Amino acid sequence: QVKQNSPSLSVQEGRISILNCDYTNSMFDYFLWYKKYPAEGPTFLISISSIKDKNEDGRFTVFLNKSAKHLSLHIVPSQPGDSAVYFCAASAFRDDKIIFGKGTRLHILP
Amino acid sequence: EPEVTQTPSHQVTQMGQEVILRCVPISNHLYFYWYRQILGQKVEFLVSFYNNEISEKSEIFDDQFSVERPDGSNFTLKIRSTKLEDSAMYFCASKGSAGDTQYFGPGTRLTVL
Repeated sequence: QVKQNSPSLSVQEGRISILNCDYTNSMFDYFLWYKKYPAEGPTFLISISSIKDKNEDGRFTVFLNKSAKHLSLHIVPSQPGDSAVYFCAASAFRDDKIIFGKGTRLHILP
Repeated sequence: EPEVTQTPSHQVTQMGQEVILRCVPISNHLYFYWYRQILGQKVEFLVSFYNNEISEKSEIFDDQFSVERPDGSNFTLKIRSTKLEDSAMYFCASKGSAGDTQYFGPGTRLTVL
């Protein structure tokens, strides 16, 4: 129900990283991005409600296109510490569980 | 900064044995969760727990699984008779209120031999 079609992405340090995510369930109304380093749990990064189309927090911006059932995470500028696995996730109103995508491994190249 | 902690970090057990995975959620959080991630697959929801009872559980969470909050700080996941396919990373999560974000622990790697 939550798809991340790119298993990995390599970006030059200082450039923009764009991670994409698609979903199929129209009932999803809250979307999240988590970041995960090896041997650690997912760390919350940023979220967006379905009533918005953009949410920004420092270097991180999430865009939501409800008609296309698509969201993206922009990181600018990319830094070496951004190298990690990024999970797109979603939940539905009154439904407590989070549905995760398979993740995209981001490599920031020096 | 408060964080969710989990013990042990790695548990190795024989098939058919019982295991208990332990979590200490963030203090004053009221909603608790278990998720798991089988190697190479998605993080999957197992169960949510609120007000001392299960709120929701997935198809994975069958009679072999149980959760408990034995005291004011711990939240445990018990697998009664482990199977090979239970080998996975198990993540505990908690949140403070209904509209809050879930915060995850570092996980316990369970290996069933």
